[in-house]
Amino acid sequence: QKEVEQNSGPLSVPEGAIASLNCTYSDRGSQSFFWYRQYSGKSPELIMSIYSNGDKEDGRFTAQLNKASQYVSLLIRDSQPSDSATYLCAVNTGGFKTIFGAGTRLFVKA
Amino acid sequence: SAVISQKPSRDICQRGTSLTIQCQVDSQVTMMFWYRQQPGQSLTLIATANQGSEATYESGFVIDKFPISRPNLTFSTLTVSNMSPEDSSIYLCSAQPGDYGYTFGSGTRLTVV
Repeated sequence: QKEVEQNSGPLSVPEGAIASLNCTYSDRGSQSFFWYRQYSGKSPELIMSIYSNGDKEDGRFTAQLNKASQYVSLLIRDSQPSDSATYLCAVNTGGFKTIFGAGTRLFVKA
Repeated sequence: SAVISQKPSRDICQRGTSLTIQCQVDSQVTMMFWYRQQPGQSLTLIATANQGSEATYESGFVIDKFPISRPNLTFSTLTVSNMSPEDSSIYLCSAQPGDYGYTFGSGTRLTVV
């Protein structure tokens, strides 16, 4: 069974620090990888996508992909209290099907 | 990215009744997806809806319980039939415009009493 694993947290970081969120996946043939942010009571919103090995930066967010290790990470620089949310890792395993991890709760302390 | 309008946003229903959730996308999309999210849990795919064909259901979900319609490329409905308290959850529709991640509707919080 194809799986996406995340540490449930909570991950607590002080304001201004770097938050590091990690994800592993089981299907070696996966091609597309996504990070979603979900505030409490809200639906998920896409914040990053990555398709090839290496780093992809967008503002304060950096996604990292290592297909050999089946590992995806999200770094949030200069963390703000408004970044406090649950972060979902998602993996497209082929076609239109995407599997979501259980999410990591992030808490940024002011 | 696409915008998806989902309604109702929440409902409280009696057991044994049915609820239909509607999602309208502001652009044409090939596939729409229906997810369920229990409190504090991740998203579980219920089914994939393609216009003009029957929906494809994931293991543990059946058409009689969760009938789906997809009459055109911008609209879909999910019905939760013969509800029981175990169906209480958040239901989310989503679409994938282009080769990017999903856009989600705002969700329907269902409570069955």
